[in-house]
Amino acid sequence: DTGVSQNPRHKITKRGQNVTFRCDPISEHNRLYWYRQTLGQGPEFLTYFQNEAQLEKSRLLSDRFSAERPKGSFSTLEIQRTEQGDSAMYLCASSPDIQAFFGQGTRLTVV
Amino acid sequence: QKEVEQNSGPLSVPEGAIASLNCTYSDRGSQSFFWYRQYSGKSPELIMFIYSNGDKEDGRFTAQLNKASQYVSLLIRDSQPSDSATYLCAVNSRDTDKLIFGTGTRLQVFP
Repeated sequence: DTGVSQNPRHKITKRGQNVTFRCDPISEHNRLYWYRQTLGQGPEFLTYFQNEAQLEKSRLLSDRFSAERPKGSFSTLEIQRTEQGDSAMYLCASSPDIQAFFGQGTRLTVV
Repeated sequence: QKEVEQNSGPLSVPEGAIASLNCTYSDRGSQSFFWYRQYSGKSPELIMFIYSNGDKEDGRFTAQLNKASQYVSLLIRDSQPSDSATYLCAVNSRDTDKLIFGTGTRLQVFP
């Protein structure tokens, strides 16, 4: 499978714990996006990388969230001190130009 | 005013009919427009994109763009029960490469 891969697919964590998600983009895609989606809403932009450079971060993203893309390959999204409001589907997408292709997502449940 | 607006639905159409899904956007400088299909519990899947005013056809799908009216639509001909899903409209921001999504329209195709 040469699509965007996200791990884990599901994560249940206790409030206050840190979690980290991984995204492996399609290999030739230099752009990588993180989105968050809650029930009944469209995906909400979190952050964007072009190669290893983080070019944009949503103002809605608190400082508990951090993302990296070392060497312009895979990316990680870390949430520190999770809160119940962080429960959502976290989606990664990669793109060669403008068209974005999504991975399967990581569903986070904070209990 | 939301940046990308869609009627949440559900839009119910009989099998074999044409389903018409609509989307308006607020940023006149938006340049690229995308339709994604999302089945319940799954990630969004890109089905069409359009850059220029007019119609673009791909199989049973036709995307229509009217930049003067800031309006983009998706027509699905010969609708099938397997087309039942949420359809997300996304717009490329003028200033960055991120996609801004609407909340989606739920389509139900009944036999």
